[in-house]
Amino acid sequence: SAVISQKPSRDICQRGTSLTIQCQVDSQVTMMFWYRQQPGQSLTLIATANQGSEATYESGFVIDKFPISRPNLTFSTLTVSNMSPEDSSIYLCSVGRGLPTDTQYFGPGTRLTVL
Amino acid sequence: ILNVEQSPQSLHVQEGDSTNFTCSFPSSNFYALHWYRWETAKSPEALFVMTLNGDEKKKGRISATLNTKEGYSYLYIKGSQPEDSATYLCAFIAGYSTLTFGKGTMLLVSP
Repeated sequence: SAVISQKPSRDICQRGTSLTIQCQVDSQVTMMFWYRQQPGQSLTLIATANQGSEATYESGFVIDKFPISRPNLTFSTLTVSNMSPEDSSIYLCSVGRGLPTDTQYFGPGTRLTVL
Repeated sequence: ILNVEQSPQSLHVQEGDSTNFTCSFPSSNFYALHWYRWETAKSPEALFVMTLNGDEKKKGRISATLNTKEGYSYLYIKGSQPEDSATYLCAFIAGYSTLTFGKGTMLLVSP
């Protein structure tokens, strides 16, 4: 198992600004994932972040909007850039080995409201 | 695009009631089905990972079944308690794709 913390836990931001969310894991992990859940919608994968390589983005998500850093095996950041009210969501980081039958472990989430 | 449907969207039961939810997923190219429990302001917690048709898994008062041929899984909670109040998420994996989540079933158990 893995214990994951995220900062901030919540924030209220103005349109046009950027917010960086931090994810810290208590053990070294190969794969980290960033998800978001917009109000009333499913938890949706934004990107997969592997240490030492560029993040892999899912369809509909781009690096300019959601730049990700993965400087080591226990830490990652997701930036939500040039925010609009549509970016109001819960953002979660998750870790796992990337195998279909493996459990993924999630952080508690960052609740973002954009005014 | 994979479509994972969960029903009902929300459920309100009394303490002691038993309840069940449904997760429907594409029956082709199935690899695994995950169930998670997500309490407000906490991390989603893994309940089960199911891979075989006919699988049945149990964790305390919670159990789940899997039918990969018809593309559904049931989650059962026996004798619901207020601490069971949470959103229950299922997530489907096809091949080596990533988790595709349903919107969840929000359960409220009143004392």
